[in-house]
Amino acid sequence: AQSVTQLDSHVSVSEGTPVLLRCNYSSSYSPSLFWYVQHPNKGLQLLLKYTSAATLVKGINGFEAEFKKSETSFHLTKPSAHMSDAAEYFCVVSDREDSSASKIIFGSGTRLSIRP
Amino acid sequence: KAGVTQTPRYLIKTRGQQVTLSCSPISGHRSVSWYQQTPGQGLQFLFEYFSETQRNKGNFPGRFSGRQFSNSRSEMNVSTLELGDSALYLCASSLFIGLSYEQYFGPGTRLTVT
Repeated sequence: AQSVTQLDSHVSVSEGTPVLLRCNYSSSYSPSLFWYVQHPNKGLQLLLKYTSAATLVKGINGFEAEFKKSETSFHLTKPSAHMSDAAEYFCVVSDREDSSASKIIFGSGTRLSIRP
Repeated sequence: KAGVTQTPRYLIKTRGQQVTLSCSPISGHRSVSWYQQTPGQGLQFLFEYFSETQRNKGNFPGRFSGRQFSNSRSEMNVSTLELGDSALYLCASSLFIGLSYEQYFGPGTRLTVT
């Protein structure tokens, strides 16, 4: 069975400092992993994805994530936070259990706040 | 390319009524998924349609149903509305790249049940 755990429900950082949003997963298969961002009253936007290619994945807006199989982690980072990064972030795992369908599980979300 | 569109964006209904929400996927995307988002339960998967067939289903009661048309547009219907159905309903259209999904979300329909 697959699952995804976002270790922090809320993270607060100062503008210009690094961001770390933590995500652990479990999967019976070779998973695909995603990070999505949701700004208030908006839909979800794909930040980046891992699909068994390079383990360090670069996304939009300066975000990146590293897939660590030994630690079953896929943490999201950004070197320098910007006020516009304040949003809810979701880690997602997708397995292909058979040829017909994928199973997609969302983490519970991490709210990122940026202090001026 | 135009993104995923959802209509209506906002809806207010009363208990016991039914509601139909619509989703138009990105051109060329054949898979459409629906999610319910609430503050208490977070994002929960409702169902997925691919080529007019329901391919995946979450743990929701039978009051929640959906369908997909030949042009890939999808509708979801909730009958006998309850207060707890108040939520943001998100639609995502999906593109298969290799063995993985890449989902693109619409802005959502905010349903309020009074």
